[in-house]
Amino acid sequence: QVQLQESGPGLVKPSQTLSLTCTVSGGSISSGSYYWSWIRQPAGKGLEWIGRIYTSGSTNYNPSLKSRVTISVDTSKNQFSLKLSSVTAADTAVYYCARDWGIAAAAFDPWGQGTLVTVSS
Amino acid sequence: QSALTQPASVSGSPGQSITISCTGTSSDVGSYNLVSWYQQHPGKAPKLMIYEVSKRPSGVSNRFSGSKSGNTASLTISGLQAEDEADYYCCSYAGSSTSPFGGGTKLTVL
Repeated sequence: QVQLQESGPGLVKPSQTLSLTCTVSGGSISSGSYYWSWIRQPAGKGLEWIGRIYTSGSTNYNPSLKSRVTISVDTSKNQFSLKLSSVTAADTAVYYCARDWGIAAAAFDPWGQGTLVTVSS
Repeated sequence: QSALTQPASVSGSPGQSITISCTGTSSDVGSYNLVSWYQQHPGKAPKLMIYEVSKRPSGVSNRFSGSKSGNTASLTISGLQAEDEADYYCCSYAGSSTSPFGGGTKLTVL
């Protein structure tokens, strides 16, 4: 079955760019009509959807983060990536990648295990 | 997009039934039958329990059920078990290709 795994630096300095990659295994990122999303969770708080990408490169972003977010896909590596610019301490969170059942589905499954990113100097 | 409103906590005894509400607006929960629910144990990734208001993915116990009335969706867990103790989050399509989550509800099994 499809599995997802996040990777990237666990520590990012304020004002810099956070970069994470999600590797999809057990299936092709291009199969089916799935999108691929990033979701984050600050410690002790709720989930926040960041954005999604389709393998065509089409993207949707959370309006509150849109000016700082870029999501891209590399189908040859079965990966998709997140870049979040101008980070502050408020961006410290566990970042999850997930298979997204579609723009108008509001369903995410499966999820990666998550990776903690701390923004600190 | 605004977060959906959930109670901070609910509790119940083993064997009982509990219901967690998820209140949105006529722009999200009220307009689409596209509400999902997630279970999250401490230190773990969320798990999809319900999608499209009331459908269960393969492998999810039939003790979990979902419904919707107006702008409020609900998750009901019947025959409460100790392993159900977790945080639960709702999510709804909100138009404009966005999918906000609720603030989460901590379920305690007494």
